[in-house]
Amino acid sequence: KAGVTQTPRYLIKTRGQQVTLSCSPISGHRSVSWYQQTPGQGLQFLFEYFSETQRNKGNFPGRFSGRQFSNSRSEMNVSTLELGDSALYLCASSLGQLFTGELFFGEGSRLTVL
Amino acid sequence: KNEVEQSPQNLTAQEGEFITINCSYSVGISALHWLQQHPGGGIVSLFMLSSGKKKHGRLIATINIQEKHSSLHITASHPRDSAVYICAVRFRGDDKIIFGKGTRLHILP
Repeated sequence: KAGVTQTPRYLIKTRGQQVTLSCSPISGHRSVSWYQQTPGQGLQFLFEYFSETQRNKGNFPGRFSGRQFSNSRSEMNVSTLELGDSALYLCASSLGQLFTGELFFGEGSRLTVL
Repeated sequence: KNEVEQSPQNLTAQEGEFITINCSYSVGISALHWLQQHPGGGIVSLFMLSSGKKKHGRLIATINIQEKHSSLHITASHPRDSAVYICAVRFRGDDKIIFGKGTRLHILP
């Protein structure tokens, strides 16, 4: 059974650009959640999608957005990139809604903003 | 205010020692997860708890709802247990999800 796949694994952008990251969950999983990890702030929750609907959102500005498609694949977008957006972005999938069962994490997309 | 505190921040122990990592939270929760992150970034979910105790191999996780506290124990620790251990909670009511800062564990052979 394939795990959670995130693409791209590494990317470099400049300030002001936008970026789109993709997450393919484990087959049959309907929940995809996104997280930002930085050395200073640690892991922070971005948002969760379940059955194509955003169910929960963390304290991030509106520049951070996401969506989920009918096949449960999810994308997140960050517009008008800032230096502070440099981070490891992780997604996780689960069968049921967030935190009701085991989470399966992808390996992450490491974003560097110059 | 929703807060999660982990202790200790860093822990170095000899192989074979019994390890305890603690997680305290401020208000009622609906679920708590223990995660393991090895160097390189990969995160593995170890346990999900809403009450009681769970065991998997050498790992044991407990939660005390009244005291708002959870512990992760590792018996007969091994160098391959060296990793960062993170607790994460979903708070009841506002559904906020907060992570602890993590405990960096180093087991010496």
